Amino acid sequence: KAGVTQTPRYLIKTRGQQVTLSCSPISGHRSVSWYQQTPGQGLQFLFEYFSETQRNKGNFPGRFSGRQFSNSRSEMNVSTLELGDSALYLCASSRGAIEKETQYFGPGTRLLVL
Amino acid sequence: AQSVTQLGSHVSVSEGALVLLRCNYSSSVPPYLFWYVQYPNQGLQLLLKYTSAATLVKGINGFEAEFKKSETSFHLTKPSAHMSDAAEYFCAVSVGLWDTGRRALTFGSGTRLQVQP
Repeated sequence: KAGVTQTPRYLIKTRGQQVTLSCSPISGHRSVSWYQQTPGQGLQFLFEYFSETQRNKGNFPGRFSGRQFSNSRSEMNVSTLELGDSALYLCASSRGAIEKETQYFGPGTRLLVL
Repeated sequence: AQSVTQLGSHVSVSEGALVLLRCNYSSSVPPYLFWYVQYPNQGLQLLLKYTSAATLVKGINGFEAEFKKSETSFHLTKPSAHMSDAAEYFCAVSVGLWDTGRRALTFGSGTRLQVQP
């Protein structure tokens, strides 16, 4: 079974631009979560989607948004990029939205904002 | 709100020595606990998880962890370190109620494990 895939793997953008990252979950998984990883703040939860509905959102500004499609693929968008948005963005999928279920992580998209 | 504390941002052991990575959690409800490993330039890989079945949990690559409610701990151990164990390890807690839509992993700050030859 194929794992979680994320595209692109690397991105370089400039301040003020916007970016869209894509995540394809494991087949049959309906829950997709996004995390931001930085050296200073560590791993922080962005949001979770389940069956095309955002079920939970972390403490990030409104510039960070996401969506999920009917095939469970998810995208996250960051508008008006800031230097501090440089990070590794990780996507994770799980079968459902139950706390004890394992989240399987993709390799991440590394975003550099110049 | 739940939280996780990992004591020691860097741990160095000799090859063949015991590995002990510490994790303490804070949660007002019974937690589900996870250990993930991250190799350079890769995502997170699940090592093991505690979901209230057995308190001693065995994972992949010879790792295990014991849930101790009285100490609010979930330390990760491996009897004999291997060079390939060098990586960053994250402890995480997941709590929440499905019907309220609250669900997320809260991660500790990570522990970088070095294995000396």
